[in-house]
Amino acid sequence: GAVVSQHPSRVICKSGTSVKIECRSLDFQATTMFWYRQFPKQSLMLMATSNEGSKATYEQGVEKDKFLINHASLTLSTLTVTSAHPEDSSFYICSASVLRTGSTEAFFGQGTRLTVV
Amino acid sequence: AQTVTQSQPEMSVQEAETVTLSCTYDTSESNYYLFWYKQPPSRQMILVIRQEAYKQQNATENRFSVNFQKAAKSFSLKISDSQLGDTAMYFCAFMKSGGYQKVTFGTGTKLQVIP
Repeated sequence: GAVVSQHPSRVICKSGTSVKIECRSLDFQATTMFWYRQFPKQSLMLMATSNEGSKATYEQGVEKDKFLINHASLTLSTLTVTSAHPEDSSFYICSASVLRTGSTEAFFGQGTRLTVV
Repeated sequence: AQTVTQSQPEMSVQEAETVTLSCTYDTSESNYYLFWYKQPPSRQMILVIRQEAYKQQNATENRFSVNFQKAAKSFSLKISDSQLGDTAMYFCAFMKSGGYQKVTFGTGTKLQVIP
């Protein structure tokens, strides 16, 4: 199956600093990727849709200036958490969909656990 | 907008027994996909089973099968011969068909398999 790789898997940063998370499609091209956030013991909530070569589309309530998304190539999307605060501590997961004959399937990265201290 | 509801926050089952996880959804779409994902402690999302809405036949994958009731918008997961490795969070999920679509997840069911 298709592979989506996310890096880093864990990161600890100080309040006020920025953190970049990478999401790569390893064996397919992804013109669209999705970024989700998961709080402990909760479900995955869509934050934004990342579109190659254009601006990301953010879900209601997600601050676009805080969560910067760049999708500069067909295999890489990055999420930068700017001026991080402890409340930004969470689990972030990216995904990309693959279109196959007659069907679509979503593949997920391994996730990034962000801790802001 | 689509919604996915899982009414069982936690469930437990004895090893080797069968358990059914419930899921209902709401959508105005006619073509879509439904999924069950497993999230073990590693938090990697693992696809368990998928169902295309246009297919009447229920999907099966080894010990996993679904009961898809399109009119009732119900999509339950049956796990047969439960194994300790099945212990995980299970998320029911929805995705529209056509192009690159987001996945909408339910709130999850924490399944514990008891030895």
